[in-house]
Amino acid sequence: SQQGEEDPQALSIQEGENATMNCSYKTSINNLQWYRQNSGRGLVHLILIRSNEREKHSGRLRVTLDTSKKSSSLLITASRAADTASYFCATDDSSYKLIFGSGTRLLVRP
Amino acid sequence: GAGVSQSPRYKVAKRGQDVALRCDPISGHVSLFWYQQALGQGPEFLTYFQNEAQLDKSGLPSDRFFAERPEGSVSTLKIQRTQQEDSAVYLCASSFLQGANQPQHFGDGTRLSIL
Repeated sequence: SQQGEEDPQALSIQEGENATMNCSYKTSINNLQWYRQNSGRGLVHLILIRSNEREKHSGRLRVTLDTSKKSSSLLITASRAADTASYFCATDDSSYKLIFGSGTRLLVRP
Repeated sequence: GAGVSQSPRYKVAKRGQDVALRCDPISGHVSLFWYQQALGQGPEFLTYFQNEAQLDKSGLPSDRFFAERPEGSVSTLKIQRTQQEDSAVYLCASSFLQGANQPQHFGDGTRLSIL
């Protein structure tokens, strides 16, 4: 079963615009990670945010975490066509096991 | 290469046949994971190895699924008497250390189709 739910399921934007994806989860977590998956490929780790952190940046990526609402958001600024992919959040409960959401499919139109 | 390698990339089998999927993790990575990904869904955990020890197989759907990592490096996921519902992408991932704070490095998966 999936722990998280991403919202929206699909997002289409113009190159240069910002893309925001949201993730909600059900149980207490230790960390939350975001991954990207290009079509037909494996997942690529983007960023990890710990449960005691509220915001983290990495290049054009900004992740927020609100443990009181059990939600996280991923913001991609100044999007590029190469950002077209599916994006997944994954949570863990302080064990090794990651539980993935159902993903947001992002299309960036050139 | 430096990444996680999976083979074959595509596998077509008739219902009832046995299949074996291989994963070569990144050299030196202690942890190895297998996931099953249905079309349009996120990966679902199948099993976890720490070196050669299979510490968790709680996600394996049935006793037809078997995984091993005998020397703590290469791993094989075997599915016996395949069924149509086994059709999915099977992803392998590895991480350098054990524990929760580790990013996982994924292979490109094996797309399994059962006819």
